[in-house]
Amino acid sequence: QSVLTQPPSASGTPGQKVTISCSGSSSNIGSNILNWYQHLPGAAPKLLLYSDNQRPSGVPDRFSGSKSGTSASLSITGLQSEDEADYFCAAWDDSLNGWVFGGGTKLTVL
Amino acid sequence: QVQLVQSGAEVKKPGSSVKVSCKASGGSFKNAISWIRQAPGQGLEWMGGISPLLGSTSYAQKFQGRVTITADESTTTGWMELSGLTSGDTAVYYCARGVGQYLISYLDSWGQGTPVTVSS
Repeated sequence: QSVLTQPPSASGTPGQKVTISCSGSSSNIGSNILNWYQHLPGAAPKLLLYSDNQRPSGVPDRFSGSKSGTSASLSITGLQSEDEADYFCAAWDDSLNGWVFGGGTKLTVL
Repeated sequence: QVQLVQSGAEVKKPGSSVKVSCKASGGSFKNAISWIRQAPGQGLEWMGGISPLLGSTSYAQKFQGRVTITADESTTTGWMELSGLTSGDTAVYYCARGVGQYLISYLDSWGQGTPVTVSS
């Protein structure tokens, strides 16, 4: 039921590359910046990428983002066990006049 | 880096109200503050927000008339009050700060979440 669509789960082995997708529409991803967050259980969500592909200070360059049209993706290279978390995307929606989110993708490091 | 600290877990009866606080430390409170919730097994849902500098609030249509978001710059604290609680309001409630004064500013800091349980 989330406005932005993400796969519910993703997995990879240490060292691998994983990509998580986020799909929306012209009123959100198609016209506004897309942001990614990492969320560990019981903790505050952490900003991972902003403005489609910008990393805040302290976020490793293993994390990268891209956007095309109404879809975006988060890529994690050199997967580490500490990357195991929930990842969700977020964008402002001009039609709803508010923030919309993806349903979250649970990343498992095998 | 600003840190947002929210009030503790709440258990409420159906029909009552809950008021959750969000205190900011280490940064400006002039930025927009949004309130978001996540019900069990559900995705995140934006409830509304406030721009303290602009003195304006905006609420998601779903919560219009039931939610009130306020902020006090002098104490760097914000509040979200939700009335007419039902079991469907059982969720974890988050506050999040935008990088600018407008609600459209991306959210760079989040609180730790406040679980609210509505049960008779």
